[in-house]
Amino acid sequence: ETGVTQSPTHLIKTRGQQVTLRCSSQSGHNTVSWYQQALGQGPQFIFQYYREEENGRGNFPPRFSGLQFPNYSSELNVNALELDDSALYLCASSLRYDEKLFFGSGTQLSVL
Amino acid sequence: AQRVTQPEKLLSVFKGAPVELKCNYSYSGSPELFWYVQYSRQRLQLLLRHISRESIKGFTADLNKGETSFHLKKPFAQEEDSAMYYCVLGNTGRRALTFGSGTRLQVQP
Repeated sequence: ETGVTQSPTHLIKTRGQQVTLRCSSQSGHNTVSWYQQALGQGPQFIFQYYREEENGRGNFPPRFSGLQFPNYSSELNVNALELDDSALYLCASSLRYDEKLFFGSGTQLSVL
Repeated sequence: AQRVTQPEKLLSVFKGAPVELKCNYSYSGSPELFWYVQYSRQRLQLLLRHISRESIKGFTADLNKGETSFHLKKPFAQEEDSAMYYCVLGNTGRRALTFGSGTRLQVQP
């Protein structure tokens, strides 16, 4: 059984650019949630996908968007990057939307 | 609005001492509460959930709705307990989890 994998592990972008982060769910999990963790803070909910549909969204602007694919892997896209988008982005999968989360190791995004 | 407060950024204790990591929450509905833990160089993982009323690695947490608290306790700390601990609040249906800012527990020998 493979765990949640995220790619890339680190990324450096400049302000105004666009970025795509990827996540492979743990085997058998149909739900993926994305969280943003700023330095010194707890993770903050961005959105969740359940069976390829958005199933809840946190207080993030529309330039944060996502996709979930038929194999339940997922992407997080961020357009028009801002300096404050610099953070660790965590992906978590679960058997169902209301089940225990299994986290990936995260993607560290730096926006210069 | 949902909110989780962990007042201590760092808690340092000696091995064998009791530990209490404080957590207070704000939520208008019926809360679901969890503790997640991140050990050094490991991923964030679930430690325990209030509905299970279980003890994991010697840790327990009791939901006190009157005081809106969910403190994590262990009677005798071990060095391997050193980690970052997050108190987490789940909303109805548990689609979104609200994390506290975390407390780093250091257990000294």
